[in-house]
Amino acid sequence: VQLVQSGAEVKKPGASVKVSCTASGYTFTTYDINWVRQAPGQGLEWMGWMNPDTGGTGYAQKFQGRVTMTASTPISTAYMELSSLTSGDTAVYFCVRGGDLDFWGQGTLLTVSS
Amino acid sequence: QSVLTQPPSVSAAPGQRVTISCSKSDSNIGNNYVSWFQHVPGTAPRLLIYDNDRRPSGIPDRFSGSNSGTSATLGITGLQTEDEADYYCGAWDGSLSAVIFGGGTKLTVL
Repeated sequence: VQLVQSGAEVKKPGASVKVSCTASGYTFTTYDINWVRQAPGQGLEWMGWMNPDTGGTGYAQKFQGRVTMTASTPISTAYMELSSLTSGDTAVYFCVRGGDLDFWGQGTLLTVSS
Repeated sequence: QSVLTQPPSVSAAPGQRVTISCSKSDSNIGNNYVSWFQHVPGTAPRLLIYDNDRRPSGIPDRFSGSNSGTSATLGITGLQTEDEADYYCGAWDGSLSAVIFGGGTKLTVL
């Protein structure tokens, strides 16, 4: 099982970012994909989940209205889009497989700076 | 809002045993299935324990988990220098419909 994420991003405040996560080594549609972030010097923060089979989603209250999680099943890729970025969104973003959070992507560093 | 509480740091010598606790602020954590993650900064976190006490394939039996109801505990025996990392507990909170994490515990192997 591997989850490979897109590369580091630098965005200006107010912009949006879309991070991808390409899965291999298992049937993509049989596990949810979660997104978890870690800001500098902080702990892990769960953002939400999406079901690649049904498209169903569930977002942490803090991110509702600002995050969108989607997937393209033909290419086994999940996406997390975060809008209205602020410096507080500077963090490493991880995609994580399933309810057990058993496999993690390598992380994508997002830097939000003017 | 539910919060999982962990000690900020623990330390022990190589070969020793250490435990890390995880408690829930507003209710009995025994109602939750707790997972534990090891995170070496700059790498991807690794699942060590899920469903309170189950180890994924490939995780050494030096790592163990328990959930007494008042707190969940991660135990590590035969400490090795490569065990130095941050450790997080996590659980699904049904009332929030969200995954909640503890603040993390930094393990130092002296």
